[in-house]
Amino acid sequence: AAGVIQSPRHLIKEKRETATLKCYPIPRHDTVYWYQQGPGQDPQFLISFYEKMQSDKGSIPDRFSAQQFSDYHSELNMSSLELGDSALYFCASSLGGASGNTIYFGEGSWLTVV
Amino acid sequence: AQSVTQLGSHVSVSEGALVLLRCNYSSSVPPYLFWYVQYPNQGLQLLLKYTSAATLVKGINDFEAEFKKSETSFHLTKPSAHMSDAAEYFCAVRNSGGYQKVTFGTGTKLQVIP
Repeated sequence: AAGVIQSPRHLIKEKRETATLKCYPIPRHDTVYWYQQGPGQDPQFLISFYEKMQSDKGSIPDRFSAQQFSDYHSELNMSSLELGDSALYFCASSLGGASGNTIYFGEGSWLTVV
Repeated sequence: AQSVTQLGSHVSVSEGALVLLRCNYSSSVPPYLFWYVQYPNQGLQLLLKYTSAATLVKGINDFEAEFKKSETSFHLTKPSAHMSDAAEYFCAVRNSGGYQKVTFGTGTKLQVIP
């Protein structure tokens, strides 16, 4: 079965640079979530979208922005990167908003800021 | 907001022994609860979920969890640990209502001793 696809899987950037992560949800899934997992930490919710509109916002820095496109894929844009942004970034998707629906996670994108 | 607490950041069991990972939730209404597993350097994989259909939930790889309202618990168990079960396990809760994010516990690292 098709899963959530994230690209790139690994990314190395220097401080103050920008980075863009892409997420392709499971086909027919209309809701996308972004999480950040620092070393030894649990995943922290950043932001989510439903039908191309922001549906919830968590601890996403102002330097970050995200959007969901008409084909439901999503991009997380990160600017003025800091060393502390080094983390594993997960994208997840679900079908609709019912709380019993499973949220499926991608393999994650490793961002290293040097 | 609803949350989950995982007791024990590290759990060690012998191969073949019972696995018990503890999770308690805080909620005044029945929540939606999930267990995810994260193998080293990999993404999050759903083990099982509780959506009020049945209190005993069976998941993949012989894992199961029982929802106990009286104890506000959703502990994860497996009768016999395998070496391949070594991973980090996250309990997660999803608020009721539309388009809600999943909130993770702090995780429990399971070590399986040969």
